[in-house]
Amino acid sequence: NAGVTQTPKFQVLKTGQSMTLQCAQDMNHEYMSWYRQDPGMGLRLIHYSVGAGITDQGEVPNGYNVSRSTTEDFPLRLLSAAPSQTSVYFCASSLTGYNEQFFGPGTRLTVL
Amino acid sequence: TQLLEQSPQFLSIQEGENLTVYCNSSSVFSSLQWYRQEPGEGPVLLVTVVTGGEVKKLKRLTFQFGDARKDSSLHITAAQPGDTGLYLCAGAPSGSARQLTFGSGTQLTVLP
Repeated sequence: NAGVTQTPKFQVLKTGQSMTLQCAQDMNHEYMSWYRQDPGMGLRLIHYSVGAGITDQGEVPNGYNVSRSTTEDFPLRLLSAAPSQTSVYFCASSLTGYNEQFFGPGTRLTVL
Repeated sequence: TQLLEQSPQFLSIQEGENLTVYCNSSSVFSSLQWYRQEPGEGPVLLVTVVTGGEVKKLKRLTFQFGDARKDSSLHITAAQPGDTGLYLCAGAPSGSARQLTFGSGTQLTVLP
């Protein structure tokens, strides 16, 4: 099993550009989530999904969209990138929101 | 929002020394998880503590959940360079919230 995979590993954007961060899991987990990690701030929840077709906002959702058309995939879209979105983004999957979270390797995003 | 504070934020010690990392909150959690994150990778679960006062040992690592389930500690005996990493605690809510709350992390560096 590959676990949780994320692409790309690194990305540089210019302010105003849009892009999609891809996330997939092969563990048949219903719960998937996106976090951003900034120095000294731990992991902050952006959006989460409790199953296909169901998404909800986390702590810091502004500027990001998600969709969950299948159990396996949970892409994160940046609508109009801003320098404040420079961060490392982690996708995670789990049986539920409070069980062990399985994290992907992360995407390091820089917005110029 | 249930907040988790970790201390210290940074810790640099020599190989062979002992250390303790703390995770504190004013809120009660139903369980608490500890993760370790190595550079360029996502966090990986070390342990979950569920019962107030519970102590779990994982080789040289000892985890304790406070009696009131508001705090936890991680003690490492005879630290090794391989213990270097970011240690994150995460609390599972005791109320209606369905997501983990992550602490800000402790960056541990063990020097050879």
